[in-house]
Amino acid sequence: AQSVTQLDSHVSVSEGTPVLLRCNYSSSYSPSLFWYVQHPNKGLQLLLKYTSAATLVKGINGFEAEFKKSETSFHLTKPSAHMSDAAEYFCVVSDGAGGTSYGKLTFGQGTILTVHP
Amino acid sequence: GAGVSQSPRYKVAKRGQDVALRCDPISGHVSLFWYQQALGQGPEFLTYFQNEAQLDKSGLPSDRFFAERPEGSVSTLKIQRTQQEDSAVYLCASSLGRTSYMDEQFFGPGTRLTVL
Repeated sequence: AQSVTQLDSHVSVSEGTPVLLRCNYSSSYSPSLFWYVQHPNKGLQLLLKYTSAATLVKGINGFEAEFKKSETSFHLTKPSAHMSDAAEYFCVVSDGAGGTSYGKLTFGQGTILTVHP
Repeated sequence: GAGVSQSPRYKVAKRGQDVALRCDPISGHVSLFWYQQALGQGPEFLTYFQNEAQLDKSGLPSDRFFAERPEGSVSTLKIQRTQQEDSAVYLCASSLGRTSYMDEQFFGPGTRLTVL
């Protein structure tokens, strides 16, 4: 079975300071991991994904995440927050276990990022 | 447009009414997923289609929920005899492939269902 835990339900930062959103996962198989962002009244948008290639993954809008198998973590970071980054972020896992090779996604509970001027 | 579209965007139903939610996936996408997102929660898997075949419906919460994709493109999620606990945002997603769990899923804007 696969599962995801996002360690913070809310994160608040000042504009221009670094962002860290924490995620731990559990998977019986080699997983694919994703970060999606959801702006108010908009659909989920993919930020980045890890699929067993490079462990440091770069995404859109300056975000990146590092896959650490030993820690079962996939934390999302950005060096400098922008006001437009304020949104809800979801860490997501997908693996090929149990016949779900088609890509059934399991979402974390979400982290709401607030950016102060 | 080129993205996933859903209709209606908002639906208010009285308890006990039947509702139908529509999803238009990206043209040519083989895989189609439905997710349910309760207030303050992450989306949860409901069901999966590969073309017109419903291969996984393990996430449907009860037999009041029914989904179809008869021609392998447009999909409809139907909820019979709606209950207050059915209130949520229903998300549709599509992806190009059929067997890869590495594919990106493209999400629609969702239908917000409120049951009074």
